Amino acid sequence: DQQVKQNSPSLSVQEGRISILNCDYTNSMFDYFLWYKKYPAEGPTFLISISSIKDKNEDGRFTVFLNKSAKHLSLHIVPSQPGDSAVYFCAALSGYGKLTFGQGTILTVHP
Amino acid sequence: ETGVTQSPTHLIKTRGQQVTLRCSSQSGHNTVSWYQQALGQGPQFIFQYYREEENGRGNFPPRFSGLQFPNYSSELNVNALELDDSALYLCASSWGQGRTEAFFGQGTRLTVV
Repeated sequence: DQQVKQNSPSLSVQEGRISILNCDYTNSMFDYFLWYKKYPAEGPTFLISISSIKDKNEDGRFTVFLNKSAKHLSLHIVPSQPGDSAVYFCAALSGYGKLTFGQGTILTVHP
Repeated sequence: ETGVTQSPTHLIKTRGQQVTLRCSSQSGHNTVSWYQQALGQGPQFIFQYYREEENGRGNFPPRFSGLQFPNYSSELNVNALELDDSALYLCASSWGQGRTEAFFGQGTRLTVV
């Protein structure tokens, strides 16, 4: 039962362009979402989060959008940089702090 | 401020053996969660410890057990290892519970042969 899904295993974009990573969830009880970035041989690093009372949260080059009715969120990276190349995980946070992760999307930013 | 550290970084065990993985939480953090990440998948929640008590558990059998110590460091123990236990094991620490950012260690890569 995959409650958080990232249906695109990989994404390739040109440096300077926008990267859009998508995530869908099925559990309507989820009300707080996070994006993590993971490089090989490192643990996931927190990027940005959003509460269900908002539909957008911005932090520098990173913006997360939440569409509650569609149970969909997306991460926009503008402009994309080669150093952004990593695996990106979407996660939903349950009450006591359990994270439910998607499968991840491998982002490759070409110079 | 020290981050989350895990040991060992890599480990090879034989099927049927037992293994203990260790995690030192970030300074000031009193909550530790463990995750299993199989190849090509996202991390799966194993369990969480808050102030030395198990506070929540994912869909893992009882042969996965843990401890949290008074200094909030933690251990993950896996008995009767199976080939499918081969994965990256991640520890995350945070302060308190709920909507608080979790910081992850670099993980322990366990291979069961």
